[in-house]
Amino acid sequence: DQQVKQNSPSLSVQEGRISILNCDYTNSMFDYFLWYKKYPAEGPTFLISISSIKDKNEDGRFTVFLNKSAKHLSLHIVPSQPGDSAVYFCAATSSGSARQLTFGSGTQLTVLP
Amino acid sequence: EAGVAQSPRYKIIEKRQSVAFWCNPISGHATLYWYQQILGQGPKLLIQFQNNGVVDDSQLPKDRFSAERLKGVDSTLKIQPAKLEDSAVYLCASSNWGGNEKLFFGSGTQLSVL
Repeated sequence: DQQVKQNSPSLSVQEGRISILNCDYTNSMFDYFLWYKKYPAEGPTFLISISSIKDKNEDGRFTVFLNKSAKHLSLHIVPSQPGDSAVYFCAATSSGSARQLTFGSGTQLTVLP
Repeated sequence: EAGVAQSPRYKIIEKRQSVAFWCNPISGHATLYWYQQILGQGPKLLIQFQNNGVVDDSQLPKDRFSAERLKGVDSTLKIQPAKLEDSAVYLCASSNWGGNEKLFFGSGTQLSVL
């Protein structure tokens, strides 16, 4: 039972354009969402997060949007840079779960120069 | 600030052998996690420690996996005996307790079971 789904295993974008990575969840108890970025042979690193009381959070080139009614969130990267090429994991948690994270399967983003 | 340290980086063993992984979390982080990441999947939580106590080990295959966090600092994860399906990256992560969901991950141990 996948509670967090990233249906696109890969995405290629031209440098300078917008990258949009999508994530869907099924557990209505999730109230906090995070994006992690992972380079090869490294552990995931935290990128940006959003609470369920918000619908948007922005940090520099990265913006996360949350649509609670659709149980959908997306990560926008503008403008995309070659250094953004990595696997991006969506994760979710709820206050009743000891704050454990449930991860999606990841999307490999490739930014072409 | 030093990050989460894990060793070894790579390990190749044959099925039915045993293996152990070590993790040293960020200093002062009370919560420590072990995750298993199979190729093409997201990290899956195996066990969560709060100081030296277990918070959740419901997804740990206890017939073959064991973990401990003596003295509430570093931790070891052991597999005995290993199966082919245990081939994965084993990630250790730590965080401050108190609702901080931002985890800091180590680089992981790549385990191949032949």
